[in-house]
Amino acid sequence: EDKVVQSPLSLVVHEGDTVTLNCSYEVTNFRSLLWYKQEKKAPTFLFMLTSSGIEKKSGRLSSILDKKELFSILNITATQTGDSAIYLCAVNRDDKIIFGKGTRLHILP
Amino acid sequence: DAGVIQSPRHEVTEMGQEVTLRCKPISGHDYLFWYRQTMMRGLELLIYFNNNVPIDDSGMPEDRFSAKMPNASFSTLKIQPSEPRDSAVYFCASKQPGLAWEQFFGPGTRLTVL
Repeated sequence: EDKVVQSPLSLVVHEGDTVTLNCSYEVTNFRSLLWYKQEKKAPTFLFMLTSSGIEKKSGRLSSILDKKELFSILNITATQTGDSAIYLCAVNRDDKIIFGKGTRLHILP
Repeated sequence: DAGVIQSPRHEVTEMGQEVTLRCKPISGHDYLFWYRQTMMRGLELLIYFNNNVPIDDSGMPEDRFSAKMPNASFSTLKIQPSEPRDSAVYFCASKQPGLAWEQFFGPGTRLTVL
């Protein structure tokens, strides 16, 4: 059975800290791994990763994929209160996406 | 474009009642997805359509759930009869063919079954 497992499930840090969110997967017909940010409403897309070892970066956020170990991490440096959200990892297989349960991140001012 | 439109945004009903959730995908998108999100189970794919045809409904929890897409601009998700454990946020998403990652989510319907 396909599965996407995220850890930790929740995390509370202080503003300015760096956080690392983890995602492991077991999926047949893997195409890509996706990271989403969900605040109060629907998920919004952050990154798509298809190749191992190539870091994707957007401002203070970065992510990398290890296709051998079936693992990805999402790093957020110099966190801000606006980074508080649920971060979802998902794997694209065929035409559908399988989501993990998410990591609920809370940044304290 | 107005994006994916869902209605109602909030629904409160009593156990045993029928619930119908509605979705209008982005014009030109030929894939439509229904998801359910709860704290316990996260975001789960219930069913998806391609060109109005259901492709994979393996995520539909049980016979009380049904989904239709009578045309390219409208889909419904029906729960009958509803139960308290159906309380969740239900998202609809749509996409163009080819780039499966680029799903556009609607704002969701928050369903509470008392």
